[in-house]
Amino acid sequence: AQSVTQLDSQVPVFEEAPVELRCNYSSSVSVYLFWYVQYPNQGLQLLLKYLSGSTLVKGINGFEAEFNKSQTSFHLRKPSVHISDTAEYFCAVSDREGGGADGLTFGKGTHLIIQP
Amino acid sequence: DAGVTQSPTHLIKTRGQQVTLRCSPKSGHDTVSWYQQALGQGPQFIFQYYEEEERQRGNFPDRFSGHQFPNYSSELNVNALLLGDSALYLCASMSVSYNEQFFGPGTRLTVL
Repeated sequence: AQSVTQLDSQVPVFEEAPVELRCNYSSSVSVYLFWYVQYPNQGLQLLLKYLSGSTLVKGINGFEAEFNKSQTSFHLRKPSVHISDTAEYFCAVSDREGGGADGLTFGKGTHLIIQP
Repeated sequence: DAGVTQSPTHLIKTRGQQVTLRCSPKSGHDTVSWYQQALGQGPQFIFQYYEEEERQRGNFPDRFSGHQFPNYSSELNVNALLLGDSALYLCASMSVSYNEQFFGPGTRLTVL
């Protein structure tokens, strides 16, 4: 069975400051890792994904994440946040590249609050 | 190119009733998954449809059922609604040749 733990339910950050959203996972098989963003009253949008290869993954909107197998982590980072980054962020894991037939297993989410 | 579309946007039902939610996948996609997102929680996988068959199912009771049509669109049916079924229901589509699920905006179901 797979599971995802997002350690912070809320992260307040000042505009233009760096941010890190933490994600830890557990899985007994190969993992594929994803970060999604959800703006108010909208569906989920894929920020980035780790399938294989380089452990540093770059995504849209200036976000990046690093896969750390020994620490079973996939933390999301951005060097300088903007007011428009205010949203809910979800980490997800799958044992298939696209989420596969078993779907994606999501964490509970982290609410990123950007303060002016 | 329209993305994943879902209807209706919002729905209010009472306990014991039945509801049908609809999803049209992104053009070129043949696989549809359904997720339930309760307030303050991450989405939970309900089931996935491919070639008009349920391929896999998450930990949801039989009250939750679905269907996929030849044009790849899909329906989610929930019978005997409970208060706890109140949630945002998300549909996601993908194709086997592309490793990403695209999500629709969701249907907000409120059970009174």
